Amino acid sequence: KAGVTQTPRYLIKTRGQQVTLSCSPISGHRSVSWYQQTPGQGLQFLFEYFSETQRNKGNFPGRFSGRQFSNSRSEMNVSTLELGDSALYLCASSFGQGDEQFFGPGTRLTVL
Amino acid sequence: DQQVKQNSPSLSVQEGRISILNCDYTNSMFDYFLWYKKYPAEGPTFLISISSIKDKNEDGRFTVFLNKSAKHLSLHIVPSQPGDSAVYFCAASGGSARQLTFGSGTQLTVLP
Repeated sequence: KAGVTQTPRYLIKTRGQQVTLSCSPISGHRSVSWYQQTPGQGLQFLFEYFSETQRNKGNFPGRFSGRQFSNSRSEMNVSTLELGDSALYLCASSFGQGDEQFFGPGTRLTVL
Repeated sequence: DQQVKQNSPSLSVQEGRISILNCDYTNSMFDYFLWYKKYPAEGPTFLISISSIKDKNEDGRFTVFLNKSAKHLSLHIVPSQPGDSAVYFCAASGGSARQLTFGSGTQLTVLP
């Protein structure tokens, strides 16, 4: 069974630009969560989608948004990029909410 | 306010010896705990979990212990192998939200 895939793997943007990251969950999984990982901060929860609805949201500004499509694929968008947004963005899928999560390899975003 | 804390950013252990990674939590609503392992340039992979109705769960070389009164869990790896060198994250979920809350991670280095 194919794992969680994320595209692109690497991205370089400049301040003020916006970016869209994509995540394809494991087939049959309906829950997709997004995390930001920065050195020393662990994995910070961004949001969770289940059946196209945002179920939970972390403590991030409104510049961070996401959505989930009917095939469970998910995208997250960051607008007006700041230097501090440079991080590894991880997507994880699970069959249901609260179940074991399977992570993708992440998208490394660098903001210059 | 970090609800899940891993106070040791790094740990070095000799091959063949026991590795003990610790994690503390503050939210009494947490009832499910997980450990993930992360290699560089990869997403975290699930290692082992424990629910609050148990105080120990074992899977091969990996054992997780939960002390609910102390709000503390630990991961024991016996015997440690060089391939275990990675960042280990503990995570917890519970209450109505069910999303995972992660600690900041501990870099384990197993020396040959």
